[in-house]
Amino acid sequence: AQRVTQPEKLLSVFKGAPVELKCNYSYSGSPELFWYVQYSRQRLQLLLRHISRESIKGFTADLNKGETSFHLKKPFAQEEDSAMYYCALGGNTPLVFGKGTRLSVIA
Amino acid sequence: EAGVAQSPRYKIIEKRQSVAFWCNPISGHATLYWYQQILGQGPKLLIQFQNNGVVDDSQLPKDRFSAERLKGVDSTLKIQPAKLEDSAVYLCASRTPRASKNIQYFGAGTRLSVL
Repeated sequence: AQRVTQPEKLLSVFKGAPVELKCNYSYSGSPELFWYVQYSRQRLQLLLRHISRESIKGFTADLNKGETSFHLKKPFAQEEDSAMYYCALGGNTPLVFGKGTRLSVIA
Repeated sequence: EAGVAQSPRYKIIEKRQSVAFWCNPISGHATLYWYQQILGQGPKLLIQFQNNGVVDDSQLPKDRFSAERLKGVDSTLKIQPAKLEDSAVYLCASRTPRASKNIQYFGAGTRLSVL
């Protein structure tokens, strides 16, 4: 069965510090991994996906099939990064979301 | 382009009452999704439409939940009768046929409180 685990409910970092939001998944097929983000008072939106291998707003995420992980990283956190982040797993079945991690960047 | 529209934004009802939510997807998006997001959880898919046909409703509690997309555009999700555990945010999302099937655009959601 598909499953996404985000072990941290809340992550607090200081501005300028590195950020890593953890995501592990369980899936028997070929996975597609995504990070969705929800800023305060805004709707849920796609941040990035592993296929595109791009950096969005300074964030990157690498799919590690050996460790079944798709951690989200940013070298220097900004206050505007404070938001709720959801890791999501797709493939041949509908998207399955993790429970989310709230990132709080402290000035 | 205009985003996914949902109404109402908030709804408070008593248990055993009925409630309906409305969604208007982005123009041209043939695929429409309804999700339920309980506090502290990620969104969980309830039903997926492709045009006016149901693709996946395996997680829809069909004894009380129903959804339709009669003309392949707008959609309504109904709960009848509501239970306390139905308190959640109900999200609608849509996807363009040209994009990856997992890139979805979400509405602002309807927050339902069942008392």
